[in-house]
Amino acid sequence: RKEVEQDPGPFNVPEGATVAFNCTYSNSASQSFFWYRQDCRKEPKLLMSVYSSGNEDGRFTAQLNRASQYISLLIRDSKLSDSATYLCVVNAGGTSYGKLTFGQGTILTVHP
Amino acid sequence: GAVVSQHPSWVICKSGTSVKIECRSLDFQATTMFWYRQFPKQSLMLMATSNEGSKATYEQGVEKDKFLINHASLTLSTLTVTSAHPEDSSFYICSLLGYEQYFGPGTRLTVT
Repeated sequence: RKEVEQDPGPFNVPEGATVAFNCTYSNSASQSFFWYRQDCRKEPKLLMSVYSSGNEDGRFTAQLNRASQYISLLIRDSKLSDSATYLCVVNAGGTSYGKLTFGQGTILTVHP
Repeated sequence: GAVVSQHPSWVICKSGTSVKIECRSLDFQATTMFWYRQFPKQSLMLMATSNEGSKATYEQGVEKDKFLINHASLTLSTLTVTSAHPEDSSFYICSLLGYEQYFGPGTRLTVT
């Protein structure tokens, strides 16, 4: 089983749509959780951290369920510029602090 | 502005030659840096943790004699791919932990 698994995608949605990505992780001791976006042939960029209480940043909402080891990302009112690969990322913490484990990514294409 | 720089941004080399990739921290004194690799259509995989003034720590399955890491100063870590083969062709990205995880822009290596 992969340490971090994401929806396989790809997602192809019209502008203005709401889209949700899911992710599960296998290491119950994981400490930190993130969503990154990666544009083609570029480095990943932090979209948002994910907290147990859930957090929102504009059109983006992230949720974490530690009991189910499940992370989600909701994008509302999709824009063309949201087209990218979205990476679910987990940090085990402890002696592994700083070492990130990436999911395989979900490709999102927003079309006019 | 950029926190991490990498050089070169892309390189093409012949099979059997060695290639050195530099990762520079521009804003932080980085005692630890991380090297990731991303094959086409796959996600980032941690290769090794670079430690300033000491030996790097390699992830399982990564050959330490093939991927030489030197972290001689608090602002520079280098990754040398020795005796490169076509299967080493990949996107190599370094990162460091500051206020968040900062990634370099990546180096695209093509071995012919």
